[in-house]
Amino acid sequence: QKEVEQNSGPLSVPEGAIASLNCTYSDRGSQSFFWYRQYSGKSPELIMSIYSNGDKEDGRFTAQLNKASQYVSLLIRDSQPSDSATYLCAVLPLSGGYNKLIFGAGTRLAVHP
Amino acid sequence: GAVVSQHPSWVICKSGTSVKIECRSLDFQATTMFWYRQFPKQSLMLMATSNEGSKATYEQGVEKDKFLINHASLTLSTLTVTSAHPEDSSFYICSARGSLAKNIQYFGAGTRLSVL
Repeated sequence: QKEVEQNSGPLSVPEGAIASLNCTYSDRGSQSFFWYRQYSGKSPELIMSIYSNGDKEDGRFTAQLNKASQYVSLLIRDSQPSDSATYLCAVLPLSGGYNKLIFGAGTRLAVHP
Repeated sequence: GAVVSQHPSWVICKSGTSVKIECRSLDFQATTMFWYRQFPKQSLMLMATSNEGSKATYEQGVEKDKFLINHASLTLSTLTVTSAHPEDSSFYICSARGSLAKNIQYFGAGTRLSVL
């Protein structure tokens, strides 16, 4: 069973702080990893993609990937109330021609003023 | 970023009628399209995957005769909910992956279906 696990939260952080969102996955052969943000009542929006071990930065967002530990994370610096949303970790397994993204259940982030 | 257009954004229909939802990739060729359903406060549930020109592959438990999917071109996929019933009321979201970027799926804005 290919799985992606996230803490459901809510993760509550004060405005201006760093929010750290974590995700683990079970398929060791996975090659592509994504973070999506979903506001309540809206569809998911791509935040970051990462394919290689290490860090990838884009503005206030940093994705971190550690394939040996099967772990991917998203850091949000200078968190704003507008960052309050559910963050979905998604993994694309490689094995067996399986071409469907596997989503975690999402972590709800609440940034309070 | 890539744009996936989904219409309508909201539809209300009577029980027993059919509803068609369109999903278009506006600036890239979508070799694969996905249809999801999401109930309030629940996770995304993949309903089916379709490749251009091929029959859709449905997830276990999804009735293919009820949820008709057509992916006739590289820019258009449709989902038809046939004989809709109140329990089909949900948020339906399409997603497309294709020529634009490495394995990235882009989502449409979603369609909220209410069946009376």
